[in-house]
Amino acid sequence: AQSVTQLDSQVPVFEEAPVELRCNYSSSVSVYLFWYVQYPNQGLQLLLKYLSGSTLVKGINGFEAEFNKSQTSFHLRKPSVHISDTAEYFCAVSGMSAGGTSYGKLTFGQGTILTVHP
Amino acid sequence: GAGVSQTPSNKVTEKGKYVELRCDPISGHTALYWYRQSLGQGPEFLIYFQGTGAADDSGLPNDRFFAVRPEGSVSTLKIQRTERGDSAVYLCASSSLASGRRNEQFFGPGTRLTVL
Repeated sequence: AQSVTQLDSQVPVFEEAPVELRCNYSSSVSVYLFWYVQYPNQGLQLLLKYLSGSTLVKGINGFEAEFNKSQTSFHLRKPSVHISDTAEYFCAVSGMSAGGTSYGKLTFGQGTILTVHP
Repeated sequence: GAGVSQTPSNKVTEKGKYVELRCDPISGHTALYWYRQSLGQGPEFLIYFQGTGAADDSGLPNDRFFAVRPEGSVSTLKIQRTERGDSAVYLCASSSLASGRRNEQFFGPGTRLTVL
C-alpha cells in the first residue's frame, strides 16, 4: 500500500517569487510519482512524472520536481511563478509491478492550494 | 483528439435514490479508472478496468457502489440507495498501453453528485 503526504495545505506567494510544494510518500514497493494541477472548475492535468532515470524531472509551465529516494520525497518547484499558476496541486504515487508497469491506481495527497498574489 | 468526457456534469438527487454516472474514455484507451474527490480532499481510488473486466475494485466503499464497462469503452458507475455522504465529485480517467504513455492517466472534468 502507498500513502502520500503534502505538507502544506495552502501556499501564498507573490508573483515572480520562487515556490516549492512539498510531497512525501511511503510505499512497500517501488513507485512512480506524479504531480497534477487542478485549475478552478477544471479537471486534473498532469504536470510531470517520474518513472525512472534522472531524478530531476521537468514538466509543463516551467515546473520541475526532484525524486529523492532516501528521503521518500518528490517536491515540486518553480523558480518564478505567475498569477496564472494559481491552482490546487496534487502529488500522487502508483506502485510498480514486477514487470515495470503501474499497478494502476493512483494514491493522491490532500492537495496544496497555491495562490499567487500580484 | 477528444479527451475523457463525463456526464452529467452535475447531478442532484434525494437520499435513497439510484444514480448512474457515465464516463467516455479517450478512444483506444484500454484502462479506465474511477475516483471520488470529497471537498478539500485529494481524489480517492474506487475501481480500475482493464478492457471489460474490473482489475481492481478494492476502493469501492460498499456494495451500494457498482461499475460496469461491458464493451471495453464507456463505463457507468452505479450507486444504489444514495446517502448524503456520497456527495462528492466523481472523476474518471483513462490510460493507454502505448509505450511511454502507459503510466499516464488522463482525467475527465468530473461529475458533481449532491445527495440531499
